[in-house]
Amino acid sequence: KQEVTQIPAALSVPEGENLVLNCSFTDSAIYNLQWFRQDPGKGLTSLLLIQSSQREQTSGRLNASLDKSSGRSTLYIAASQPGDSATYLCAVIRSNYKLTFGKGTLLTVNP
Amino acid sequence: GAVVSQHPSWVICKSGTSVKIECRSLDFQATTMFWYRQFPKQSLMLMATSNEGSKATYEQGVEKDKFLINHASLTLSTLTVTSAHPEDSSFYICSATRLGDPAYEQYFGPGTRLTVT
Repeated sequence: KQEVTQIPAALSVPEGENLVLNCSFTDSAIYNLQWFRQDPGKGLTSLLLIQSSQREQTSGRLNASLDKSSGRSTLYIAASQPGDSATYLCAVIRSNYKLTFGKGTLLTVNP
Repeated sequence: GAVVSQHPSWVICKSGTSVKIECRSLDFQATTMFWYRQFPKQSLMLMATSNEGSKATYEQGVEKDKFLINHASLTLSTLTVTSAHPEDSSFYICSATRLGDPAYEQYFGPGTRLTVT
């Protein structure tokens, strides 16, 4: 059974700092991996999708990497801003196209 | 593109009644739609997967007679919570995959907050 773990569970940083969120998964036989952002009481916003054949994806200040063999992904956020405060969810897509989510990292960026 | 809507955004109902939640793909045809439930401070748990014109596939532990899913078209899926009880109070989120997308990326709706009194 696929399990997804996100570390840390919560992170508080000052504005402008670069930061890394970690995601690990137990079964390396994944199809894709996605990073999402969720604001309180809201749905999910997709940030980056990395296909299993790729090693990283970049969008603006965000960079996500994937190492399938070790079962790890990281989300790097450069020059963090208060507006980046949210819960960040990592999810792996299995061969049956179902998503398994981690519990998320609650990020707070302090002005 | 790839916008998914849900209606209603929040609903309060009395115990024992039924409530229907709609999920629509607004600007694309959806191959598959998924329904998730999220309890406070928890992650999303997949409830069921539905394909247009087919019966939904439910995850282990999800009562199919309680959570009725209808996927009548390539743009609309509905979740009906029957005989709702306070423990059914949760945040329900749907997602959809776009027809022909080889990455099978899921696009999520804004969620529906259900409170059963």
